[in-house]
Amino acid sequence: RKEVEQDPGPFNVPEGATVAFNCTYSNSASQSFFWYRQDCRKEPKLLMSVYSSGNEDGRFTAQLNRASQYISLLIRDSKLSDSATYLCVVNPYNNNDMRFGAGTRLTVKP
Amino acid sequence: EAQVTQNPRYLITVTGKKLTVTCSQNMNHEYMSWYRQDPGLGLRQIYYSMNVEVTDKGDVPEGYKVSRKEKRNFPLILESPSPNQTSLYFCASSLYGQGAYGYTFGSGTRLTVV
Repeated sequence: RKEVEQDPGPFNVPEGATVAFNCTYSNSASQSFFWYRQDCRKEPKLLMSVYSSGNEDGRFTAQLNRASQYISLLIRDSKLSDSATYLCVVNPYNNNDMRFGAGTRLTVKP
Repeated sequence: EAQVTQNPRYLITVTGKKLTVTCSQNMNHEYMSWYRQDPGLGLRQIYYSMNVEVTDKGDVPEGYKVSRKEKRNFPLILESPSPNQTSLYFCASSLYGQGAYGYTFGSGTRLTVV
C-alpha cells in the first residue's frame, strides 16, 4: 500500500461546481497534512495546511479524518483558474520528511 | 523576494556526462531537499540536508550526489547520468524542524538524458 494515495482523476467539472478530493494515508502516527497545488510543468505551491479541526480559506475547505486516515479538499464555486493538479502531502513524524501523493488532476471548463 | 532558485530550467545531456543542477535559497532555511517527479509516481525524495555538512539519503538516492558546504546552496550532482534519470527535478527548502509549515519549491529542472 502506498503511503499516500490519491485518485488521479481527471476530474472535469463546469465552472461554479463544487468538487471534492480525498487522500488516504497509511501511517496512523502522521502529524502534519497539507494540500499543494501544481500547475502544468511548474513547481508545487502550498495551498493550505490541514488542521485537526478543519480549516477554510475562501472557497477552499480542508478536513482531516484521523479515524479513517484521510484528508479532503473541497472547492466551492470552481473557477477556470482552479484547473491544476492537487497534491496531498503527509508529514508522518512532524519533521521534514514529507510524503507526497501522485496528485489529482482537476479541469474546470466554461 | 523569498525564493528557491534552481538552474538550469532545462537540460539535455548525453549518457555518462557529469552534470550539476544548482539550488540556492535566500530564506536562511536550514533544511533543503531534492525531489524527482515522474508521471504517476508523485514526488520522490532523492537527498536531503538538515544543515551545513549534514546530508542524508532519501528514497531514490542511487546515481546522485549532493553537497551542503554553505547554508544557502544545495547542488545535485549526477556523476554519470543515465536515461532513467530523465525526469523533472525540484529543490525545496523549509525551516529546520518546521515541517508543519510546508516547503518552498524551486521552479524545477527538466532533465533529459539521451
